[in-house]
Amino acid sequence: NAGVTQTPKFQVLKTGQSMTLQCAQDMNHNSMYWYRQDPGMGLRLIYYSASEGTTDKGEVPNGYNVSRLNKREFSLRLESAAPSQTSVYFCASNPSGDTGELFFGEGSRLTVL
Amino acid sequence: GENVEQHPSTLSVQEGDSAVIKCTYSDSASNYFPWYKQELGKGPQLIIDIRSNVGEKKDQRIAVTLNKTAKHFSLHITETQPEDSAVYFCAASLSGNYQLIWGAGTKLIIKP
Repeated sequence: NAGVTQTPKFQVLKTGQSMTLQCAQDMNHNSMYWYRQDPGMGLRLIYYSASEGTTDKGEVPNGYNVSRLNKREFSLRLESAAPSQTSVYFCASNPSGDTGELFFGEGSRLTVL
Repeated sequence: GENVEQHPSTLSVQEGDSAVIKCTYSDSASNYFPWYKQELGKGPQLIIDIRSNVGEKKDQRIAVTLNKTAKHFSLHITETQPEDSAVYFCAASLSGNYQLIWGAGTKLIIKP
């Protein structure tokens, strides 16, 4: 049982380049999330998907887009990367958006030069 | 909006001693307070959570206390062990996981 799988684990981009972070969960969860983690700032929610077919903005959505491809997969796209988007990105899922455990992937470390 | 402050940023304790991490929140309407543990190179993992209708919750060596009047909650780890070394995050929410606001984290170091 893999849980939440993120790819790639590491990526280096130049300013202005685009890329997509992939996330897949095999727990049949309805809700999925994308967070970024920066030193001294905890985790901040970028976008979430309460259920298949819906997406909503979180705390820091600017510069990002998401796609809930199906119940298993939730991708995060950077259209024109900026140095301020250098961060560690985490995907998470849980059965529903209500309270309860969030299951996290191992993270994707992105550096924008 | 909600703001969560977490202290200390680093905590070093002797193995076998207790560790306490404190968080304060700003919105009195917040009603869900989870604690997550993050080991190096891994994603955070839930270790305990509490809702606003409960003052204290315990799970083996881990306990969380909530003071709604003062708007703060604390994580208590007793009989600390080397495997407790990690970064711990608190969070608070008005309405479920969609609105979780996270603290900045506490790095817990267990000295042998």
